[in-house]
Amino acid sequence: GAVVSQHPSWVICKSGTSVKIECRSLDFQATTMFWYRQFPKQSLMLMATSNEGSKATYEQGVEKDKFLINHASLTLSTLTVTSAHPEDSSFYICSATLRGTGWSGNQPQHFGDGTRLSIL
Amino acid sequence: DQQVKQNSPSLSVQEGRISILNCDYTNSMFDYFLWYKKYPAEGPTFLISISSIKDKNEDGRFTVFLNKSAKHLSLHIVPSQPGDSAVYFCAAGTGNQFYFGTGTSLTVIP
Repeated sequence: GAVVSQHPSWVICKSGTSVKIECRSLDFQATTMFWYRQFPKQSLMLMATSNEGSKATYEQGVEKDKFLINHASLTLSTLTVTSAHPEDSSFYICSATLRGTGWSGNQPQHFGDGTRLSIL
Repeated sequence: DQQVKQNSPSLSVQEGRISILNCDYTNSMFDYFLWYKKYPAEGPTFLISISSIKDKNEDGRFTVFLNKSAKHLSLHIVPSQPGDSAVYFCAAGTGNQFYFGTGTSLTVIP
């Protein structure tokens, strides 16, 4: 159980285009989804926290107009990288926590497999 | 500034021996700690966790130790198996917000 699907797994596009990444919880309802970015040999850096039906909370230094997050349902959150440029090339990964569990200490985040974004 | 640090980028251990992965954190407010395992081209998979009210949690071959005064946690894998070869991330935080270390790549040699 607790499977998170992320799509696409790899995308290559031209500079200036917008790219949408989907994160779906397949067998559970996710109250909260998280978006991370990972640079080579670095840790996962939290970009934003997304709660269903409300605006995402962005971490300091993350441009909300650049990285648009939508969490329209309990099973889907999307990250749109708008007007992508080569410096946006990175590995983006989402995670989700189970609905209704709060933070019991026994319900960690469940991660998708990530999306490798390459901007030419 | 990195709030969670894994100072060893890599570790090699003989099959059957103990693997010890270390993690340090800086924020004394962190009350929950997790270890994730990651294979190439896959997302991290939850391994084991511990809350700040405990100093040890065991699950099969995996044991996590927490030393709050030293702001240090470690993951012990006994006995190590070749299938354990992966990158291990520790994470620390509070509530729903966690910070990850840079990972330690474990290689278990058959």
